[in-house]
Amino acid sequence: AQKITQTQPGMFVQEKEAVTLDCTYDTSDPSYGLFWYKQPSSGEMIFLIYQGSYDQQNATEGRYSLNFQKARKSANLVISASQLGDSAMYFCAISGNTPLVFGKGTRLSVIA
Amino acid sequence: DAGVIQSPRHEVTEMGQEVTLRCKPISGHDYLFWYRQTMMRGLELLIYFNNNVPIDDSGMPEDRFSAKMPNASFSTLKIQPSEPRDSAVYFCASSSDRGYQPQHFGDGTRLSIL
Repeated sequence: AQKITQTQPGMFVQEKEAVTLDCTYDTSDPSYGLFWYKQPSSGEMIFLIYQGSYDQQNATEGRYSLNFQKARKSANLVISASQLGDSAMYFCAISGNTPLVFGKGTRLSVIA
Repeated sequence: DAGVIQSPRHEVTEMGQEVTLRCKPISGHDYLFWYRQTMMRGLELLIYFNNNVPIDDSGMPEDRFSAKMPNASFSTLKIQPSEPRDSAVYFCASSSDRGYQPQHFGDGTRLSIL
């Protein structure tokens, strides 16, 4: 079975600062994918970034980067230059031989 | 390109009534997923389809829940009879792959059973 653990229920960050959201995972699948989604207060689920387990380089998408440490089974999301619009719930998810399994999420609040 | 389209956006109904949630996936996506989101249980996968065929419905909570995908562009999730504990946000998502491509979510249906 696959499992995602997000240990930070809530976080605060100052506008324009960088922030790291933690995600650890557990899986027995030899090949898997790691995803981050954003859910603003309006409720929609927005895909942010993907990392494959065999990808050599950490994934980046604009201000988002995924700090993938396979030996530690961690896939932390780094948001650079935080903006007020980044305030939202953030979910880490893993897939492999089964579809996505989501963590409980981290609520990020960006302060002006 | 149009994203995943869900309807209705909000549904309020009385206990015992039948509820039908609808989903139109992104054209060309072979996989369709139904999720339920609650504060207590987070995001749960209910069922998923591949090429219109149900693959895994182990997440469907009870026989009161059923899902169909009659063609590649339409799926329904039905609850009959509905109960207050079914109140949640229900998401539909589609993808070109089961696990190695991102799933694209609809805006969700906020269901309230009185």
